[in-house]
Amino acid sequence: QVQLQESGPGLVKPSETLSLTCTVSGGSVSSGNSYWSWIRQPPGKGLEWIGYIYVSGSTNYNPSLKSRVTISVDTSKNQFSLKLSSVTAADTAIYYCARLEADGYYFDYWGQGTLVTVSS
Amino acid sequence: QSVLTQPPSVSEAPGQRVTISCTGSSSNIGAGYDVHWYQQLPGTAPKLLIYGNSNRPSGVPDRFSGSKSGTSASLAITGLQAEDEADYYCQSYDTSLSARYVFGTGTKVTVL
Repeated sequence: QVQLQESGPGLVKPSETLSLTCTVSGGSVSSGNSYWSWIRQPPGKGLEWIGYIYVSGSTNYNPSLKSRVTISVDTSKNQFSLKLSSVTAADTAIYYCARLEADGYYFDYWGQGTLVTVSS
Repeated sequence: QSVLTQPPSVSEAPGQRVTISCTGSSSNIGAGYDVHWYQQLPGTAPKLLIYGNSNRPSGVPDRFSGSKSGTSASLAITGLQAEDEADYYCQSYDTSLSARYVFGTGTKVTVL
């Protein structure tokens, strides 16, 4: 059973960079049938896909966030990470890491989520 | 704003049936991309409920079923139970403007 756990600061100042890490257990980020993804949910609102990374290092980002997003993978630690630059209050959200199943393109494993608040 | 539209809320008594629609367009559901459904209980992460339009992951009760037709999809819950009170989201792939994975606007199911 694959498990994911997000970690990182819960408070980020406006204009700074949000950084989160997702640790994968019970599975490998090197798995060829997985796209390791980030999804966010502003408080009381819906879900927004941020992007994903494949074990090869190839990435795919939501066009609305592409200019500010970087997702990377560390196979030695079985982790992948999110960086979102120039944050504003609109980036305040619960951030989830999840596995996008490579054949069916659905998110089958999710982390519990971590709330990141952008405030001075 | 999402390209997949769901009703904001539906409510029904225990034991009854509810359906949730997910309306898309020719750039997503109508283009043949699969629809998946997620259940989000209060204060928890979303959980995969239906994948590939109508398939249930192991452990999901057969009270939940999905279907797709044209540019829309539906999730049905029969024999509604109090534990089904949650937010439900559809998800697909969209190629308008630029390709991306998209979620529906979400539907709150209330068990009366």
